[in-house]
Amino acid sequence: DTEVTQTPKHLVMGMTNKKSLKCEQHMGHRAMYWYKQKAKKPPELMFVYSYEKLSINESVPSRFSPECPNSSLLNLHLHALQPEDSALYLCASSLDSSSTDTQYFGPGTRLTVL
Amino acid sequence: DAKTTQPPSMDCAEGRAANLPCNHSTISGNEYVYWYRQIHSQGPQYIIHGLKNNETNEMASLIITEDRKSSTLILPHATLRDTAVYYCIVRVYTGNQFYFGTGTSLTVIP
Repeated sequence: DTEVTQTPKHLVMGMTNKKSLKCEQHMGHRAMYWYKQKAKKPPELMFVYSYEKLSINESVPSRFSPECPNSSLLNLHLHALQPEDSALYLCASSLDSSSTDTQYFGPGTRLTVL
Repeated sequence: DAKTTQPPSMDCAEGRAANLPCNHSTISGNEYVYWYRQIHSQGPQYIIHGLKNNETNEMASLIITEDRKSSTLILPHATLRDTAVYYCIVRVYTGNQFYFGTGTSLTVIP
C-alpha cells in the first residue's frame, strides 16, 4: 500500500476562520512533508517532519502551523489566512530522510480563502 | 541546490516514444535525479530516479549523460493517459527536500 490520504478534498474558509488539513499514511514512513502549489506552478516545500520532529521550515508564515501527533498523521493548522494563500496543499511521506527514499504524495486539499 | 531546466511544453503522438529532456549542469556528484509527473489537479506521482547509471522500470527509462549534466526521461509508448506535467528534480544527498523545477507539460496527441 503506497497511499497517502488527505482530508478534506476541498476547503473554503474566511480570513478569520481556523481550520485544519489532515494527512495520513500507514506505510511506516518516518518522514512527512507539506507542500503548497499555486495554479500552474510547481509544488513548493513548506515543512518537513522527520521522526515526528519538525526538521525543516521553509520560512513559512506563522498563520500556518504544522503538527505531527504520531508517525502516521500530519496536520496543518490554518488561522487568519489571506486570499493569496488559496492553493493546492499537498502532503507527502517517505521511509526516512535517506537520499534514495521516494516521496509518495497524497491527492491534495484544494483550499480557497475568501 | 542544483537547479533543473526543462522545456515548458512538448507534444507526442500516441504510441510513439516521448523523450523529455532535463538540464542540471550544476549537479553535484552525490545528487540524484528524480522524475515525477502530475496529472491535472492530482498529487505528483513518482516515475523513476537515478544517480549516474541508466535506469529502467515498468513506467519509463532514465538516461543520464556521462558528465551527469543532463538527463532524458523516455516513455516508450506514450498513451493519452501520459498527458501530464513532468518534473525533473535534483535531490541533495543528505537532505529530504525536493525542489521542483518548472516542469514540462506533455500532451499526447491521438
